[in-house]
Formats: sequence, C-alpha cells, structure tokens
Amino acid sequence: GDSVTQMEGPVTLSEEAFLTINCTYTATGYPSLFWYVQYPGEGLQLLLKATKADDKGSNKGFEATYRKETTSFHLEKGSVQVSDSAVYFCALLDSSYKLIFGSGTRLLVRP
Amino acid sequence: DSGVTQTPKHLITATGQRVTLRCSPRSGDLSVYWYQQSLDQGLQFLIQYYNGEERAKGNILERFSAQQFPDLHSELNLSSLELGDSALYFCASSAHRDRASEAFFGQGTRLTVV
Repeated sequence: GDSVTQMEGPVTLSEEAFLTINCTYTATGYPSLFWYVQYPGEGLQLLLKATKADDKGSNKGFEATYRKETTSFHLEKGSVQVSDSAVYFCALLDSSYKLIFGSGTRLLVRP
Repeated sequence: DSGVTQTPKHLITATGQRVTLRCSPRSGDLSVYWYQQSLDQGLQFLIQYYNGEERAKGNILERFSAQQFPDLHSELNLSSLELGDSALYFCASSAHRDRASEAFFGQGTRLTVV
C-alpha cells in the first residue's frame, strides 16, 4: 500500500538556521502531498500542499516541491525561529481519499 | 482554535474497560474523521463518517466502533481496552466528503490505559 517515510528526529537547530526535513513516498499514481504541523498540545494544521509534479507549496516561509522523479517532498525553510518548534508530518492522499501520514519529525529551535 | 471540540482532553482507565470519546465538528462540517496517534504506530486513520453514514474505514480494530449522530457530533467507542490502546485520539472535520486534507483537527483526547 501507499506509504510515507520521513527522516527521524529530533532535529535541533539554532535560530536563523536553514531547515530541511526529508520526506519520500511510495504510491500508485501521483497523489497529492502535504505537510502538517503539530504545535505542543494542539491538533494538526495543514502547512502546505502540492497536487501535481513540480508544484511548489509554500506557507509561512516554508516550502516543499513535489518531485516525481525522486518521489520526494522535502520541507525547507531558510531561517527558522523558536516559534517553529513543533512536530512536522508529511502526508499523501491515497486513491480512496484517505490521508497517509509519515511518522513525524520533531523540530527544536534554540535561541 | 480549529473549531473542532473533543472531550475529554485526558482519560485514564484500566485494561478491559470501555470508554467513549466525543467530537463536535466545526459548524456546518458534514465529515468527521478519527485518527490514532501512538508512539509505535504513528498517526493512523481509523474511520470517517459523512452526514451520519460511514464513508471510509482505515486501521480500526474490531473492539473499536464509531458513529455520527443527526446533530453531526461523533463518538468513538473503545472497548476491552489494552495497554497498547494508549494513544492520542484526534478528530477532524471538513465540509466535504472527499477532502480529508482540508479537515480541521481537534486538540485530541489522550487515553492512558493502565
């Protein structure tokens, strides 16, 4: 079945550092891809999405590009802030319209 | 605030017991999704209801069941609880039937089975 693989965390960075969280997927066809963020004590929030190959999703300084050739959707941010500390989930929408999530990557940003 | 309300926030119960988790979706949303987030299994889709009818099923155990009522709130019933059922259970809601990605998540119910 479809699956999503994310890099293991935690990822610890200093403020203003560059962030990359790797995500690769296995699926039949070309599913829509998503990044969700979970702040402490809260539910998941949709951060960005891409619905077809070469699409770039972006929001709040975060970006991810749908790479069909490498089946990847890596999350990047040029300069992280302490407030970005959270757990980030990569996900795909399968052919039955169900969300399949990766295991999540915890990001800790230090001042 | 996502507008999705889950109660209770925390629940501690013993093995073998039965519990009910409640979800009130955002006003006007017809779809309700239930997810389980555990340390070993990650975040998994359990079940979806749309306007009172079961729409999709994921990795939901037979000991678990759910329903959506005419007022659109939903309940997830977990019975014969085991230690491994300890997890964070999320509810999410969306306006449409097949737009899981656009759903808004509640803050979750943390279930601890002792």
